[in-house]
This record gives sequence, C-alpha cells and structure tokens, in this order.
Amino acid sequence: EVQLVQSGAEVKKPGESLKISCKASGYSFTSYWIGWVRQMPGKGLEWMGIIYPGDSDTRYSPSFQGQVTISADKSITTAYLQWSSLKASDTAMYYCARQRVTQVNKVYYYYSMDVWGKGTTVTVSS
Amino acid sequence: QSALTQPASVSGSPGQSITISCTGTSSDVGGYNYVSWYQQHPGKAPKLMIYDVSNRPSGVSNRFSGSKSGNTASLTISGLQADDEADYYCSSYTSSSTPYVVFGGGTKLTVL
Repeated sequence: EVQLVQSGAEVKKPGESLKISCKASGYSFTSYWIGWVRQMPGKGLEWMGIIYPGDSDTRYSPSFQGQVTISADKSITTAYLQWSSLKASDTAMYYCARQRVTQVNKVYYYYSMDVWGKGTTVTVSS
Repeated sequence: QSALTQPASVSGSPGQSITISCTGTSSDVGGYNYVSWYQQHPGKAPKLMIYDVSNRPSGVSNRFSGSKSGNTASLTISGLQADDEADYYCSSYTSSSTPYVVFGGGTKLTVL
C-alpha cells in the first residue's frame, strides 16, 4: 500500500526551530516528487514547495521561499519540512503529498497530488 | 500570489447535481490542462477526486466529473449523497518566473 506517514503534533514557542517528517512506503521514493501544503486554522490549502528525493532538487512557492526548508533522506525514504525560527503565524496543519511532475524542454510542470499524509499540526505560542 | 476563485458555498439535495466553479487566468487554469480537484472532510486530509481537468483516479465514483472552458474549470457531482458534504478545492499549475501550484479558496458543499 502506498502511504505517507507524518510525524506527530508539535507545540513550540516563537523563535524555536522545528523539523517535521513524512515517511514514504509502498513505492519508489526516489522516483516521485513530494510536496508540502499548509492549511492555517479555518483556511484553505496553500502549496509550499516540492522536492525530488532522487537528487534533492527542491522548488518553492514564492510565498514560502526563504521561510522554510524542504529536504529528504532517501536512505530512510523520508521528506522533511523545517523552520529555523518559528512565528505564531506558522501555526497550521502541514500535509505532505506525492506530486506528479513532468519536465518538458527544461520547464517543470506540476500536476496533481495523489497520495496525502494525514497531516502534522504545528502550534506556535508563547 | 492570487488564489483561484471558487464560490464559498454551494448546496443541493440528495440525488441532485451541483457544479462548483474555479476561475483563474490564462497563466493557470486557462493555459494548462493541469487542473485538479480535492475533497476534504472535516479533520481529514484532502483526497484527489479529479486530475488533469477531467480524469478520475481509480476508486473515485463516476458521479464526480470535471471540465474546463477558457479560464474556468468546473467540478460536477451528480446524484448527491450525504457523504459528499465536504470542502472542495481546485488547484492548477501556474506559470511565472517561478512556477508553482495555486489552490482555490475552497467551496463548502452542504447536502440538505
């Protein structure tokens, strides 16, 4: 069974660092891109960025560039999302998802997200 | 960046059909056939319902269908059932100096 298992809920203080994880199983981890999506309380979905675990090629949404870091460890089929200094506005649910991507003439096209993790709740409060 | 535009809410009675629209621009919905639709029940992760404008993943009911005309994509649910009550989000690839994925603001479907 193809699945993405995310790490548990986190409660942090402003200024602290954090790294959440997304462990993949049931498919070739290095052959698919993994994306991250934010959902703030009561709000909609926001695409943050993606990583190709095969070579760690990483791309970010303009809104999240420089705010978070996406990484992956293919030896343990796990992708990560991390913050170096959390803010209260980072309070949200974060989902990882497998994303279909194709490259045509050096341009990457991002398709659908077909397998989702259950999400990790991050609460940042003093 | 601007989200795709969806109605905040739609409603319908069991057995009826409803359509949710998703309006973008020629840089996203209108320019590419990479529109997807997701269903999200309260407290749950999103689930892919439609990809590439009109394709259904294996296991998704054929009561769900997608289409596109110009800069507007649509999700139609026929034969409404109680379990269809959920939030629905559209998404699309968007071209820019840094390509990315943009989501709609979401539509709350109420089954009366």
